[in-house]
Order: sequence, then structure tokens, then C-alpha cells
Amino acid sequence: NAGVTQTPKFRILKIGQSMTLQCTQDMNHNYMYWYRQDPGMGLKLIYYSVGAGITDKGEVPNGYNVSRSTTEDFPLRLELAAPSQTSVYFCASSSAGGGGTEAFFGQGTRLTVV
Amino acid sequence: GENVEQHPSTLSVQEGDSAVIKCTYSDSASNYFPWYKQELGKRPQLIIDIRSNVGEKKDQRIAVTLNKTAKHFSLHITETQPEDSAVYFCAANNQGGKLIFGQGTELSVKP
Repeated sequence: NAGVTQTPKFRILKIGQSMTLQCTQDMNHNYMYWYRQDPGMGLKLIYYSVGAGITDKGEVPNGYNVSRSTTEDFPLRLELAAPSQTSVYFCASSSAGGGGTEAFFGQGTRLTVV
Repeated sequence: GENVEQHPSTLSVQEGDSAVIKCTYSDSASNYFPWYKQELGKRPQLIIDIRSNVGEKKDQRIAVTLNKTAKHFSLHITETQPEDSAVYFCAANNQGGKLIFGQGTELSVKP
């Protein structure tokens, strides 16, 4: 059971470039989340999804986009990368966000924008 | 919007002492309150959680208490050990599906 898998693990982007962070889960979870974690800081919610075809903004959505065409996949798109987007990005999933169950995290993607 | 405040940001204790981390939340509809531990360079992992219909939950050296009226919940670690050193996060959900985290507490247990 792989759980939540993120790719890539590391990436360096130049200012203005775009990229997609991939996230897939094999637990048939309805709820999926994207967080960013700046050095020494907490986890900030970027976007979340309560099921295929449904996405919503979190605390810090500016500069990002998401899609949820399948239950398994929840890619995060960065358009026009900026140095402020240098961070570690975590994807997570849970079976019932509103009802409250454990969120499982991927291993993270360390992104540097130069 | 929803907000979760966590204190303290850093906590240093001697091995064997107890550690307490406190969180407050703003959304009265929140009904699930997990605690995560994150070791350096690793992903956050759940250590204990509590739901709104329970006031206290214990798992060996770890306990969590919830006061719904005051909208705050706390993590208690007894008989701390060096391997408890890590960053701890509280979180709260809402009915809409969001899971919002506190700012984190860096716990250092000195041998």
C-alpha cells in the first residue's frame, strides 16, 4: 500500500517558469489537500478537494491552481513561479474531512525558485 | 475565516518532565482535532486525535483534552524522552472539509 505519493521530491525553478506538482493516493480517499510549509513555519492550506470534480481555496491560494478529475489524483499547478513560492509542499488525503479522520501525508516536494 | 492558534512556539524540557502544548480554534462547527508530530526532514504523522463528543483521550504517555465551550484543546506528554523532540502541530477541521493547522511547537527534550 503506497499511501500518498508526491513527485518530484526536489525541483529548482527559474522565476516565471511553470510546473505541476503531482499527488496520487491509493486509499480511495475523498478528501485531498495541498499545504505549503515555509522554513520553521507551520502548514498553510493552499487548496483542498472533497471529491472528484470539486475543489476549493484554502488559506493561501494565490499563484496556484488545482484540478481533481479522478479520486486518486490531485495535481497542483504553479504558474509564473516567484521566489515567494520557495517552500516544501505537502499533499495529504483523508477519508472524511468533515467527519474527521486521519490525514495521511505524502513525503513532500522541496521547491526552490531562483 | 477559520483560525487555529498554537502556543508556545518553542518548548524545552528536561527528560522525564511533562510537556503541554495548547491550541485555540475559531470555528465553533469544528468537530475533529488531530495532533501531528513532524521530525526533521520528514512528513507530519498523526500521534493522537479527539472528536468533539469526547473531553479527553489518552494513549500511553500522550493525552489530549478538549474544552468545546472555550474552543481550546491541549496536548500533554508525560515522562518525556529525547525521541519526543520534534515539531508538533495541532489542527481543526470544519464541516466544509478544511483541515487548518496551528503554527507548530518545537519541542526539545534535554537528556
